[in-house]
Amino acid sequence: EVQLVESGGGLVKPGGSLRLSCAASGFTFSSYSMNWARQAPGKGLEWVSSISSDSNYIYYTDSVRGRFTTARDNAKNSLYLQMSSLRPDDTAVYYCSRVPPEQRAPVAPTTDSWGQGTLVTVSS
Amino acid sequence: QSALTQPASVSGSPGQSITISCTGTSSDVGGYNYVSWYQQHPGKAPKLMIFDVSNRPSGVSDRFSGSKSGNTASLTISGLQAEDEADYYCSSYTSSSTHVLFGGGTKLAVL
Repeated sequence: EVQLVESGGGLVKPGGSLRLSCAASGFTFSSYSMNWARQAPGKGLEWVSSISSDSNYIYYTDSVRGRFTTARDNAKNSLYLQMSSLRPDDTAVYYCSRVPPEQRAPVAPTTDSWGQGTLVTVSS
Repeated sequence: QSALTQPASVSGSPGQSITISCTGTSSDVGGYNYVSWYQQHPGKAPKLMIFDVSNRPSGVSDRFSGSKSGNTASLTISGLQAEDEADYYCSSYTSSSTHVLFGGGTKLAVL
């Protein structure tokens, strides 16, 4: 069974930093591109970042580029999101998700498995 | 870039069919067949229902179907059931620097 478990969320002050982790199991993690998405409380979904299986291609949405860094460790079956210069509008539940290998889009909007998410709250 | 445009809410009775629209531009929905649809129940993670405009993942009921015309994609749910009541989001690849867009979401009420 595919499992994705996010961790690392919490309360942080504006301008602060936080590192999220996503532990993957039940599939060959090193063969899949992965995405991060977020959902502000009571709001819709927003794609945040994608990373290819070999980390050669990493993409970010405009609002986080230069502040967030996505990385992965295939030996540890883990995905990471390093967030810095955090702002109140970064407050959201952050989800990691898996991109099916057959996806052909340059940056895939399709993800077939999601974690339960971890809440990040940016507030003074 | 703005999110894709979805109606805020739709409703239907059990057994009926409903359609949710998702309008974008020629840089996203209209330009590529990379549109996905997700179902999200309250407090739960999203679930993939349709990918690449009209393809269903294994395990998704054939009551769910997708299509596209021009810059508008659509999700149709036939034979509505109480369990279909949820929020639905479309998503598309975009050639802009945003890379991936989501719609604002549509709340489906099964009356």
